[in-house]
Amino acid sequence: SYELTQPPSVSVSPGQTARITCSGDALPKQYAYWYQQKPGQAPVLVIYKDSERPSGIPERFSGSSSGTTVTLTISGVQAEDEADYYCQSADSSGTHVVFGGGTKLTVL
Amino acid sequence: EVQLVESGGGVVQPGGSLRLSCAASGFTFDDYAMHWVRQAPGKGLEWVSLISGDGGSTYYADSVKGRFTISRDNSKNSLYLQMNSLRTEDTALYYCAKDTGGGMYYFDYWGQGTLVTVSS
Repeated sequence: SYELTQPPSVSVSPGQTARITCSGDALPKQYAYWYQQKPGQAPVLVIYKDSERPSGIPERFSGSSSGTTVTLTISGVQAEDEADYYCQSADSSGTHVVFGGGTKLTVL
Repeated sequence: EVQLVESGGGVVQPGGSLRLSCAASGFTFDDYAMHWVRQAPGKGLEWVSLISGDGGSTYYADSVKGRFTISRDNSKNSLYLQMNSLRTEDTALYYCAKDTGGGMYYFDYWGQGTLVTVSS
């Protein structure tokens, strides 16, 4: 079955830039989406269609795509950004949704 | 305001059955596909199933295909998940999630989840 691969953890100091990658063979053909999940809360969409930002999401969140890898970038990381981040896409048929394993962002 | 409220979780023995419900409000329910997504304790998100707005199309993750059935009642603005032949690995918080529409299958609203525990 189709898989999306993320690093388990990323650590950055406040004010620095965090980059979280997500790799998958179908990503050149399917959009990627990113969710932020804080402990005890439901996920929140932070990036859609590879690089679009929903209303209400701070400008420091951005997304990009290159071949089979998509990247979530958080510029000027703040303590409140500490959370788990999940990429999501679909398989090549477009009928099965897939999540990456998640990346725990730690703000040092 | 969009609201999704799940119910029906609980403790069930392996091999047992459970039916989850999700009450939706704040949007035109039958205009949108709906999904179930689960999260095992301390683990990541796992997509379970989706159903189209008119209920005519359904899709399942391989891990639940043949055991779980998704359905909806648009007259009641409600989504359901019938879970049969439950296994210990089905233990998770089950979220109901609203699709954004347009056929690209991603989520703009989530409920708070209902906990299913499969244990003897």
